Amino acid sequence: DIQMTQSPSSLSASVGDRVTITCRAGQSISRYLNWYQQTPGKAPKLLIYAASSLQSGVPSRFSGSGSGTDFTLTISSLQPEDFATYYCQQSYSTPLFTFGPGTKVNIK
Amino acid sequence: QVQLVESGGGVVQPGGSLRLSCAASGFIFSNYAMYWVRQAPGKGLEWVASIRHDGSDKFYVDSVKGRFTISRDNSKNTVYLQMNSLRAVDTALYYCAKEDYGYYGASTLVYYYMDVWGKGTTVTVSS
Repeated sequence: DIQMTQSPSSLSASVGDRVTITCRAGQSISRYLNWYQQTPGKAPKLLIYAASSLQSGVPSRFSGSGSGTDFTLTISSLQPEDFATYYCQQSYSTPLFTFGPGTKVNIK
Repeated sequence: QVQLVESGGGVVQPGGSLRLSCAASGFIFSNYAMYWVRQAPGKGLEWVASIRHDGSDKFYVDSVKGRFTISRDNSKNTVYLQMNSLRAVDTALYYCAKEDYGYYGASTLVYYYMDVWGKGTTVTVSS
């Protein structure tokens, strides 16, 4: 099984801040990495696939980078609706998947 | 529009069974693999099971192998999760999700992801 870790587990930030979340895979997964956003009481929403490809309709302030084992999700200017929990997911072993433990972005 | 609606959750005693359903609409159901993902109260997301577009192959997380069965009826646009021998640790909100895929740059490699999710159905295993 491919293990996924994320850091930090939580962070506090203000509107307008630049936020970076890191995801690490237990083995190389090339670019097979997706990012999801989950707001309280809602289903997850796909933000980015293939490590850096923005899903249709997702604001351009979200970006992803990385390959191999280390990946980042960056929000260039945090908006009020971005306070949520973010999960990375490896799809290298599709149709078996693993999610990271999540990073909660709180309001400072 | 593309929509997934889960049903069948409830409260069940340890050792009991439940069958979850996920009704799909707004897309050609038989063209896509489908997934079940769960989220225990206050916890993160856990992939549970996958089924190929034609039902030919099924895959499970180790913790549910031998107890859960994923299936689909393409004539009814519905995917199911039969859950037997339920345990307290199976208590969670269960989501179904639809497969989609994309490409990166000029590469012909296919990158899979879960692009549409239902709102979930809650399963509580308790005596």
